[in-house]
Amino acid sequence: NAGVMQNPRHLVRRRGQEARLRCSPMKGHSHVYWYRQLPEEGLKFMVYLQKENIIDESGMPKERFSAEFPKEGPSILRIQQVVRGDSAAYFCASSPWGGEQFFGPGTRLTVL
Amino acid sequence: ELKVEQNPLFLSMQEGKNYTIYCNYSTTSDRLYWYRQDPGKSLESLFVLLSNGAVKQEGRLMASLDTKARLSTLHITAAVHDLSATYFCAVDDRGNSGGSNYKLTFGKGTLLTVNP
Repeated sequence: NAGVMQNPRHLVRRRGQEARLRCSPMKGHSHVYWYRQLPEEGLKFMVYLQKENIIDESGMPKERFSAEFPKEGPSILRIQQVVRGDSAAYFCASSPWGGEQFFGPGTRLTVL
Repeated sequence: ELKVEQNPLFLSMQEGKNYTIYCNYSTTSDRLYWYRQDPGKSLESLFVLLSNGAVKQEGRLMASLDTKARLSTLHITAAVHDLSATYFCAVDDRGNSGGSNYKLTFGKGTLLTVNP
């Protein structure tokens, strides 16, 4: 059973561009969480999704950030018009029932 | 708002010594997790603690949970260089969120360096 997959692993964008981060949960997992880790800090919750539904987006910045988890395909975290402060590692985690979470390898976003 | 505090944030140890990392949290929670993170890598799950008095051990690491004191400890016995990493504790917020939302609140992490 493959683990949680994220791509790309590294992403470089210039200010003002869009960043799309993908997360494929483990087989059979229908719950996905996204977290952001700034340098030298712990992870901070961004959004919790189940298939086709956003359950909790209380950790998402109000503007430029959006997330989806369609019926088919990976979960996508989208950042529009990136700024330097968006540079971070973005981790997704999946769960079969919402409880114990299994983390992906992360996407490291660098904004130039 | 759930808060999780770890201390110390930085820990430099000699091989063979023992030490403890502390994790305090502010509100009732169902579960406490300990993770290890190596530089540039993802999080590796070490322990899941589910109830008051829970104690789990794996190799040189032992974790315990006191829900009344809202405190967990990660004890390192006879440290070796391979244990050098950043250790995070995390608490789920289901008590406040309800339903199936187990979003995690993390401490800032403890950077452990084990010196020969």
